[in-house]
Amino acid sequence: EAEVAQSPRYKITEKSQAVAFWCDPISGHATLYWYRQILGQGPELLVQFQDESVVDDSQLPKDRFSAERLKGVDSTLKIQPAELGDSAMYLCASSIGQGARYEQYFGPGTRLTVT
Amino acid sequence: DQQVKQNSPSLSVQEGRISILNCDYTNSMFDYFLWYKKYPAEGPTFLISISSIKDKNEDGRFTVFLNKSAKHLSLHIVPSQPGDSAVYFCAASAELGGPINAGGTSYGKLTFGQGTILTVHP
Repeated sequence: EAEVAQSPRYKITEKSQAVAFWCDPISGHATLYWYRQILGQGPELLVQFQDESVVDDSQLPKDRFSAERLKGVDSTLKIQPAELGDSAMYLCASSIGQGARYEQYFGPGTRLTVT
Repeated sequence: DQQVKQNSPSLSVQEGRISILNCDYTNSMFDYFLWYKKYPAEGPTFLISISSIKDKNEDGRFTVFLNKSAKHLSLHIVPSQPGDSAVYFCAASAELGGPINAGGTSYGKLTFGQGTILTVHP
């Protein structure tokens, strides 16, 4: 069964360092999402791509976060510099189309700890 | 502001009994609602959904009820099984408005509640 792949699964970094996460969506899925889940809260959308274009990055802290999906397939989310408050689970999801009626398939996430 | 709220952080149920998980929302633009289940060390998985034109949707042991006037939805699991023990998230989306730029509710964007930890005891 096809799955969304994410790496690394765990990342510990020091404050002010740069960190990057990678996501490989299910083949053929045009829509890709990056979510942040803080402990005790639900996932919050950071950025949504349709193919290689950003369709929603309203909740992405653009002073330190960046995301790209250059060829419309895999994607990278970067934080520079990392802050203590960035400690969270970063989830990637993909769907075949845009809109909530298209099921979003989630990867296992990357657990980030900033010290 | 929390547009989707799950006010019960946890729920404990005996195997075979009914589990009822609740969710409230405040944004009247929401017209499509979903439930996700999450096991430890895994990403959330889709469970069931309902459109605002319905008040009930059933899939096997899982039924979602929607009360639009109260802005409330619930997930019923009958009978509950130990394998149902997980974190359950409700989510909401605005679909009928079409693509809307940031500042409102973007088309298809999911807004999640905080989650409810369900424990089903054998």
